[in-house]
Amino acid sequence: QQQVRQSPQSLTVWEGETAILNCSYENSAFDYFPWYQQFPGEGPALLISILSVSDKKEDGRFTIFFNKREKKLSLHIADSQPGDSATYFCAASAPQGGRALIFGTGTTVSVSP
Amino acid sequence: SVLLYQKPNRDICQSGTSLKIQCVADSQVVSMFWYQQFQEQSLMLMATANEGSEATYESGFTKDKFPISRPNLTFSTLTVNNARPGDSSIYFCSCAGQGDSDYTFGSGTRLLVI
Repeated sequence: QQQVRQSPQSLTVWEGETAILNCSYENSAFDYFPWYQQFPGEGPALLISILSVSDKKEDGRFTIFFNKREKKLSLHIADSQPGDSATYFCAASAPQGGRALIFGTGTTVSVSP
Repeated sequence: SVLLYQKPNRDICQSGTSLKIQCVADSQVVSMFWYQQFQEQSLMLMATANEGSEATYESGFTKDKFPISRPNLTFSTLTVNNARPGDSSIYFCSCAGQGDSDYTFGSGTRLLVI
């Protein structure tokens, strides 16, 4: 079921740096890509999302870069804060199959002050 | 967006018993999804449930082990049959909202099988 892969598995950055999280997928039918943030003991929370017709989406400190040809996308977290320390999941959905979200393997980010 | 109410929040059950998890939406939704998440791992899609039809299960999940009902457009239940310690995880229900890009998750059910 791992149609969506993420790297690195874990990442440590200093406060103020930009964290870069990578995601790749296999299914060409995927056309919607949300990123979720999850803290221990909580459910996933939508952070930012992009449709396959776009190549970039910005929302505050969070930016998605999308390369449809290479089936890759990345999440950039600018000016990282200790409160950004969490696990981030890339997900994808396609028009078929009821639009179920397929989650990536996840990247755990630690921001050191 | 749609709100999903999931219960119980957590449960402990003995090996070999069955547990039922309920998910209620505050408005009608076409498809509901069930996910399993082991600690420090990703969310794995278990099945997609549409009203009045059998759920569609993903590889590794079966209706005998995880029967899912979807009697109407606001309700779904996931049953864990013959629970084993390896089933200990968090189970989430989810749905897509009006726009395809609007997804909601229940608060999750933390299951411990002893």
